[in-house]
Amino acid sequence: DAGVIQSPRHEVTEMGQEVTLRCKPISGHDYLFWYRQTMMRGLELLIYFNNNVPIDDSGMPEDRFSAKMPNASFSTLKIQPSEPRDSAVYFCASSFRGSGGYTFGSGTRLTVV
Amino acid sequence: KNQVEQSPQSLIILEGKNCTLQCNYTVSPFSNLRWYKQDTGRGPVSLTIMTFSENTKSNGRYTATLDADTKQSSLHITASQLSDSASYICVVSDRGSTLGRLYFGRGTQLTVWP
Repeated sequence: DAGVIQSPRHEVTEMGQEVTLRCKPISGHDYLFWYRQTMMRGLELLIYFNNNVPIDDSGMPEDRFSAKMPNASFSTLKIQPSEPRDSAVYFCASSFRGSGGYTFGSGTRLTVV
Repeated sequence: KNQVEQSPQSLIILEGKNCTLQCNYTVSPFSNLRWYKQDTGRGPVSLTIMTFSENTKSNGRYTATLDADTKQSSLHITASQLSDSASYICVVSDRGSTLGRLYFGRGTQLTVWP
C-alpha cells in the first residue's frame, strides 16, 4: 500500500486566493482526519470523517475552511479566501475502525503571502 | 482543563547514549496514550499505544511507560542512533475510540550527534 497520499507537497499562494488540499486515504480505512501543524500550536485536529460523513468539525478555525469527502478514496480541505495566518503544514491521516493506529500522510506545506 | 505537557522541549545527545522523554497529562477520562515520531518534513509515525491497564510497551529500542495514577508517561530510547533525530509527540485520548477527543503535546525535539 502506498500509504496516505497528499497533494500538493508544497503550495505557495497569495492572500485572498482559494487553496485546495487533497488526500487519498489508505484503502479500507473508514476514518479520515485533517490536522494542521504550526510551530506555535503544534498539531491540531481540524475535522474528521467516518465512512465519508463529517463527524466532528469543531477544530475548523472559521468559515473560510471547508472539507469534503465525496467518496471513500478522496477528501479535500479548502480554504477560501486564504490568509497569511493559514500558513502551516496540513496533514491528512486515516485509520480503520478507530483502532488507534493512525497513518499520516507526508503533509502539505502551505505558505500564504 | 485537559492538557498534555512534554519535557524537555528539546534535547541533544551523543550517538549511542540513552535518553528519556517525559509526558504529563491532565486528560480525563483517560482512554489511551500514544507516542509518535515525526521526522523533519514527514508525517508522524506511531511508535506505541497504551491503554489504562498497560504500563510498559516496547518497540525495538523504544520503550514507553505509563503511570495512570500519576498521569505520567515516558519514552526511553536505548543506544540512540542518528536516525532517532526527530520530534517525539505524546497524544492522549479521552475516549475508547477515535470518536473521542485527542490532546496533543507540543513535542520534544531530539537531536542525536555523532
